Amino acid sequence: GAVVSQHPSWVICKSGTSVKIECRSLDFQATTMFWYRQFPKQSLMLMATSNEGSKATYEQGVEKDKFLINHASLTLSTLTVTSAHPEDSSFYICSAGLAVGLLLDNQYFGPGTRLTLL
Amino acid sequence: QQQVKQSPQSLIVQKGGIPIINCAYENTAFDYFPWYQQFPGKGPALLIAIRPDVSEKKEGRFTISFNKSAKQFSLHIMDSQPGDSATYFCAAKNFGNEKLTFGTGTRLTIIP
Repeated sequence: GAVVSQHPSWVICKSGTSVKIECRSLDFQATTMFWYRQFPKQSLMLMATSNEGSKATYEQGVEKDKFLINHASLTLSTLTVTSAHPEDSSFYICSAGLAVGLLLDNQYFGPGTRLTLL
Repeated sequence: QQQVKQSPQSLIVQKGGIPIINCAYENTAFDYFPWYQQFPGKGPALLIAIRPDVSEKKEGRFTISFNKSAKQFSLHIMDSQPGDSATYFCAAKNFGNEKLTFGTGTRLTIIP
């Protein structure tokens, strides 16, 4: 149980393109989803927290107009990297929070999306 | 105060040995401490987690030891296997805060 999928798993595109990444919780409802960015050999950096039906909360230094997050349903959140450039190349990982009662307990991570901009 | 310090950065252990990865925190409000395992090109997978009301938790070959007074917790892997070679992250969060604070990661290599 508690499976999270991401699509696509990898994408290569030209600079200036906008790229959408989907994150789905397959067997549970996730009121809260998180988006992370990970550079090679580094830890996960939280970009934003999204709650179903409301605007995402972005971490300091993350451009909200650059990284658009939509959490339209309890099982789907999307991250759109707008007008992506080579410096946006990274490994993007989402996670979904599994609530136990009223508490947000474990986070379950998707397999990640490797984004490469040419 | 939100930091979680993890050590060592990398670790090489022979098959069958017991690698130990340590984490220390400062925020006494933290009340949930998970460990994640990440293989190259994959997302982190929840391995085991502990709350501060217990000092030890075992799941299969993985054990968390927790020292509340020292504000430290560690992961032990019994009878380690080459398939355990991965990067391990400790993390912490506190009640009412949805965000996880991650350690810097430990790259573990188990040699046959």
